[in-house]
Formats: sequence, C-alpha cells, structure tokens
Amino acid sequence: DSGVTQTPKHLITATGQRVTLRCSPRSGDLSVYWYQQSLDQGLQFLIQYYNGEERAKGNILERFSAQQFPDLHSELNLSSLELGDSALYFCASSVGGSGGASGELFFGEGSRLTVL
Amino acid sequence: GENVEQHPSTLSVQEGDSAVIKCTYSDSASNYFPWYKQELGKGPQLIIDIRSNVGEKKDQRIAVTLNKTAKHFSLHITETQPEDSAVYFCAATSNQAGTALIFGKGTTLSVSS
Repeated sequence: DSGVTQTPKHLITATGQRVTLRCSPRSGDLSVYWYQQSLDQGLQFLIQYYNGEERAKGNILERFSAQQFPDLHSELNLSSLELGDSALYFCASSVGGSGGASGELFFGEGSRLTVL
Repeated sequence: GENVEQHPSTLSVQEGDSAVIKCTYSDSASNYFPWYKQELGKGPQLIIDIRSNVGEKKDQRIAVTLNKTAKHFSLHITETQPEDSAVYFCAATSNQAGTALIFGKGTTLSVSS
C-alpha cells in the first residue's frame, strides 16, 4: 500500500460527459502529480501541484483541469470526453516539489476511465 | 522538454537468466534517473534510482548504469525469477523549475520457469 488513495477505481461514461477523479496523497507529501497511462503511450505526465500551486505542466488537454485543495487532496476534471480519453489515470505524491528529482514518487492504484 | 526512449518494449527470459533494459534521454540538464516496476493492477513502484554524479548503482539482483555523455542508462536484473515479471519504466528529470518526471513507454518483462 503506497498510502496514495484514488477514487473511483473504475468509471464508465459516455462521450461528451464530464468526470472528476480524486486523489489523496500520502500523509506529509506536499506534491501531487497526475499521469495518464494508455497502452501505446505509456505514462504521460499531465500536471503537478505543490502545496496548492501548479508547479509543472505536461501535455494536458484544455478539456482537462486540476486543482489541489488546502487539505492537499487533488482533483482531476475531464470534460467533453472523447473515446480517446479512455485510459488509466494515476495520481502520485512526493514530499518535495522538484519534479521528482527530490525523491520518490508514490503512486496510487489508478482510476480506470472508459468512455463509450 | 525531456524525451525518454525505452527498449525493448517486450522481453522474455528464462528463470535464472539476466535481463537488460535500455533507455536514452534528450535533455542534458536531467540529473535523476529512477526505474519503476508496475505489477498487474497496481501503480508503479520505485525499485532503484541513480543520480548524475554516479555511474553505477547496485541493489542485490538489480543494477543501473548511467552514461551521461551518451545520454543513456540501463537496468540490469540478474538471476531473474518469475516474480520479476512486470512492466518496467525508466524515467528522467532535472530539478529545474517547471520540470517533471518523464517516463519511457515501458518494457514488459516475462520470466518463465
């Protein structure tokens, strides 16, 4: 158990809909990262928050947004969903904020999104 | 930005053999190179890492090597066991502001007994 909690574990929805994925980091970790895992693209970095502020941004679509709340949990919002958004979305956390160079990333078990 | 290439995408070995996975990176500023193992139905987990001031690091049956000049690093697993079967990801990052851990596309390792 990594200590990172993601909900929901599975989500099935239709094209055009909006969903919210939630992540609770390990106790004491200030950084939260979101990654998208698809079969052909591996682990794609989406966005990082550190203590409530956006720290780094990857290839995150404009239809996607995220935030980190004062209690350090984070939410990833995916809107106007398309078939290609079907993937496993991972949240990870770390103590430091330097993109992972400051220490280990601890991953949750992921939220599997299926868009029909 | 950083780009990490990983080879091979799949690797099958017999129990007891060695396995080698190779990665290249593009950003010369990268200075941290971790390897993660992902078992079925789970999130990736760090198994070993190396920083740019070190050329090689070992931890029991696994070792990593880094060649900064050539911008490549490798994972070596000796005496493979069936429980080593998993997807392995290499990654790279620097500690520059605005950077994040960038992963390769993964290698599926299958160890048959």
